[in-house]
This record gives sequence, C-alpha cells and structure tokens, in this order.
Amino acid sequence: EADIYQTPRYLVIGTGKKITLECSQTMGHDKMYWYQQDPGMELHLIHYSYGVNSTEKGDLSSESTVSRIRTEHFPLTLESARPSHTSQYLCASIPAGRYSPLHFGNGTRLTVT
Amino acid sequence: QKEVEQDPGPLSVPEGAIVSLNCTYSNSAFQYFMWYRQYSRKGPELLMYTYSSGNKEDGRFTAQVDKSSKYISLFIRDSQPSDSATYLCAMSSRNNDMRFGAGTRLTVKP
Repeated sequence: EADIYQTPRYLVIGTGKKITLECSQTMGHDKMYWYQQDPGMELHLIHYSYGVNSTEKGDLSSESTVSRIRTEHFPLTLESARPSHTSQYLCASIPAGRYSPLHFGNGTRLTVT
Repeated sequence: QKEVEQDPGPLSVPEGAIVSLNCTYSNSAFQYFMWYRQYSRKGPELLMYTYSSGNKEDGRFTAQVDKSSKYISLFIRDSQPSDSATYLCAMSSRNNDMRFGAGTRLTVKP
C-alpha cells in the first residue's frame, strides 16, 4: 500500500496552461523530493525539501516551482506547460535522521500537447 | 561520463532462469546501495537495500556489492513472470546525494 499519494495519475493538457501536481504523504516524513523520469533515462532530481518552508532546486534545470507549507504536502507547479515538460513525475519521501532509502509514489504521467 | 552505469537490457529470460542485473559507479563517496523494482505505470518500490560490501539475501533475491570494484549486482533465482518489470539501481552518499541507473527492463516468459 502506497503511503505517498500523487494526483492526478495521468494528465493531458495544452501548451501554456498552468498545472499543479499534488503529492501527499501520511508517514510524517520531513524530507520530500520530486523526480522526473523519462523512458530509458535515469531519474533526475528537480526539487527537494527538508521540512516546512524549506525548498531547494535539484540537479535538473526546471521551470517548475514547489512549496512546502505543511509537512505532508509538497505540490509542484508549472506556470506555463510546454511539450518539453511531457514526462513522468515521481514524488518521494524519507524521514529525517539516519539514512533511509526513498519511498516513492506512483507518479503522474504528464502529456503537454 | 555518468556516475552510475546500468546494463540497459532489455533482458528476456524463460521462467525459472537465474537473472543477473548489474551497475557500475564512479563516485567512491557512495555508501548506500539500493535496487528498486518498477512495474509499468507504477512508481519504483524498494527491493533491496545494503550498506556494506558483500552479499545480502532476501528470498529469491541476492544483492551483491563490491566497493573495491565499484560494482553492484542483483541476482534473481527461479525467476517468475511476476518478476517482469524494470529494475533500477540506486546509490547514495551520506548526505542523501542519490543517483540512479537508467534501468533494465526484464521480461520473464512462462
């Protein structure tokens, strides 16, 4: 059972639209992450957060933004979607403290036409 | 050069075969090594996690880490059609600087 929930699972949207991908976790984890996954490519980190009001950009240059107002919620927003944003977006979390592997949600498959 | 290189596959084997999946890496700071399994239209799920060099076994799965050679492997014994998925290797340093392989797609044919 997934304790980290992503909505929507699939989204098809036109160029120029603003979209928000939702991610919520019920495990009380402090650290949350957004990854982008394309077929045959490694996962790329686009944003992460180590707690409320803390957000950082990852390795992959991204036109998206994130917010962390509540521990359990880490939404990702694209102000103006483009076809190059077509991808799978994965949210993940881990607790603070000693090292723990990432726990992933089931992803949002985004298609921008 | 990528920090993590994973045998790309795809790999197709008959049911009951032993499967070997492999990754190499270049960053000696990596200390934590993971294998994730990802079914179609799902997120990656943690399969194996190890910290040190050596072998770790869990049922039909064995994870092997050789830090001196910077090489990790996942072995699947008595493979089943339900093992058909994409397998991702992942590794991290102490500061959670995690890197993933590109994944190997495995198909186990009945």
